[in-house]
Amino acid sequence: DQQVKQNSPSLSVQEGRISILNCDYTNSMFDYFLWYKKYPAEGPTFLISISSIKDKNEDGRFTVFLNKSAKHLSLHIVPSQPGDSAVYFCAASAGSGGSNYKLTFGKGTLLTVNP
Amino acid sequence: GAGVSQSPSNKVTEKGKDVELRCDPISGHTALYWYRQSLGQGLEFLIYFQGNSAPDKSGLPSDRFSAERTGGSVSTLTIQRTQQEDSAVYLCASSPGPRWNEQYFGPGTRLTVT
Repeated sequence: DQQVKQNSPSLSVQEGRISILNCDYTNSMFDYFLWYKKYPAEGPTFLISISSIKDKNEDGRFTVFLNKSAKHLSLHIVPSQPGDSAVYFCAASAGSGGSNYKLTFGKGTLLTVNP
Repeated sequence: GAGVSQSPSNKVTEKGKDVELRCDPISGHTALYWYRQSLGQGLEFLIYFQGNSAPDKSGLPSDRFSAERTGGSVSTLTIQRTQQEDSAVYLCASSPGPRWNEQYFGPGTRLTVT
């Protein structure tokens, strides 16, 4: 039972355009969401996060939107750059009072930004 | 400063052999995690260490898997009697404390069981 789903295995966009990566989740106990970026042969690196008390968090070119009623979040990258080409993982954790360290990851979306 | 390091970067082993994977977390980080990423899958939580507390081993897939963390720093993940389905990238991560959502990952160890 996959609790965090990234239904698009890959996405290709032109440099300068917007990249939108989507993530759906099923566990209503999730209250914190993170995006990680992974280059080949490297470990994932933290990109941006959002708490369930917010619906938007912005950091430079990266914005994460959370729609709790739809159990959906998205990562927007504007403008996209070739260096953004990587695998993007959505992750979630549940319970600020307990095991919130246990991240549940999606399978990832490979983003390719074409020059 | 130095990030999380893992060794070896690649390991090929024969089915039935034991393997040890090593993780050096970021200095001062009290929390340490092991994950596994099988081909085409997301990262799968294996085990969590926090300070001197008992580790959370709830993600270990079988009793062939074990891990220890010595002196609150270096950790070793051991897989006994390896099977082909154990082939995956094993990732270690650390964070400054127990309620720190952002985890810092090492480059991983790619394990291939032949």
